[in-house]
Amino acid sequence: NAGVMQNPRHLVRRRGQEARLRCSPMKGHSHVYWYRQLPEEGLKFMVYLQKENIIDESGMPKERFSAEFPKEGPSILRIQQVVRGDSAAYFCASSSGQGNYEQYFGPGTRLTVT
Amino acid sequence: DQQVKQNSPSLSVQEGRISILNCDYTNSMFDYFLWYKKYPAEGPTFLISISSIKDKNEDGRFTVFLNKSAKHLSLHIVPSQPGDSAVYFCAASDESSGGSNYKLTFGKGTLLTVNP
Repeated sequence: NAGVMQNPRHLVRRRGQEARLRCSPMKGHSHVYWYRQLPEEGLKFMVYLQKENIIDESGMPKERFSAEFPKEGPSILRIQQVVRGDSAAYFCASSSGQGNYEQYFGPGTRLTVT
Repeated sequence: DQQVKQNSPSLSVQEGRISILNCDYTNSMFDYFLWYKKYPAEGPTFLISISSIKDKNEDGRFTVFLNKSAKHLSLHIVPSQPGDSAVYFCAASDESSGGSNYKLTFGKGTLLTVNP
């Protein structure tokens, strides 16, 4: 499967726990984007990364959220001390370049905080 | 502040007829527009895009029209098929300084139902 992979597909966490969401971009893509979709809303940009670099994290909440895209391995979106308001679908996308390149999305991780 | 608006939450059409999905935007800096289709429990799938230097782009059954003066774009699907039933998202990016045109701004989506 050469598409964008995300895991887990579903994640349940209690308030105060940590959530780790993983994304493997399409083969040959080195640009990764994370978006969040709250219920009844459109997708909202969170962060844009290239290998070992955070290019733009302007959409990330200032606290508890972090992202990385190491030289080896998948991109990780980490949410510390989760709260109920973090419950959402988190989508990762990748592209082959910056700018007007189509972004291809993974199936998403649905995070539920109980 | 909703910069990309899809004012119709849902649309129902008969198989074989034309589906027209609409999208309005407020940010005049947007210069690239995309339509994505999304099935439940899946990620959005890219359908078609258009640059602001064009007013029409066609790909098979899908055509996107852009009216820059009205800040309006539409997606036409003809003929519509039951498999087209999905949520359709309009998205936009801008060529602002710093080249942040990777940042897609999405509308809330329109649920299209194509009845056999």
